[in-house]
Amino acid sequence: AQKITQTQPGMFVQEKEAVTLDCTYDTSDPSYGLFWYKQPSSGEMIFLIYQGSYDQQNATEGRYSLNFQKARKSANLVISASQLGDSAMYFCAMREGNGALNTGNQFYFGTGTSLTVIP
Amino acid sequence: KAGVTQTPRYLIKTRGQQVTLSCSPISGHRSVSWYQQTPGQGLQFLFEYFSETQRNKGNFPGRFSGRQFSNSRSEMNVSTLELGDSALYLCASTRIPGRMGVNEQFFGPGTRLTVL
Repeated sequence: AQKITQTQPGMFVQEKEAVTLDCTYDTSDPSYGLFWYKQPSSGEMIFLIYQGSYDQQNATEGRYSLNFQKARKSANLVISASQLGDSAMYFCAMREGNGALNTGNQFYFGTGTSLTVIP
Repeated sequence: KAGVTQTPRYLIKTRGQQVTLSCSPISGHRSVSWYQQTPGQGLQFLFEYFSETQRNKGNFPGRFSGRQFSNSRSEMNVSTLELGDSALYLCASTRIPGRMGVNEQFFGPGTRLTVL
């Protein structure tokens, strides 16, 4: 089974509107971290936001927020007030374990969602 | 603070050749991971090194190998290149333990390998 599933290959959003990018994950480890990365056409991977499995509140970073629904194993990224510069590929990723020194740091990535912001 | 650097940025090889890619992590980061990125496949995990030891390995054939040096710099090697090895190879470094256990990966710009 896929560890990370992103079911939206492509999404369009009007400038200044909000958009939700879907991500579901699969793990039996009670401790894990969920990440979202942005990859513009330049190819650089940019870290956006993180949610730990034990975090009680949904993570927020500026215009980015993570809608974390643990029981449904979903970690959707919400981008508010979309800007033209938000056009990029977006990847959801998961790391199993608590990130301690003696654990591995393997990340599992989804296949990505291509977001296009329309002026 | 300098970011993750990868050399070379572009490579063109022919089938059957071998190639070595290099990655210099952010200063103080001891974990280095390698990924292969191809269109439609997302990022496929190759391996992770921490303090010169390979801790995790993805599902790739033995033609793909790597190592890490005492200064945390890492190299990956692909022997007997095949056309399907054409991809963007990304390196990522992490400070472990990171801030509050987040341990986000910081990525380099990648090496684009083309196999003819």
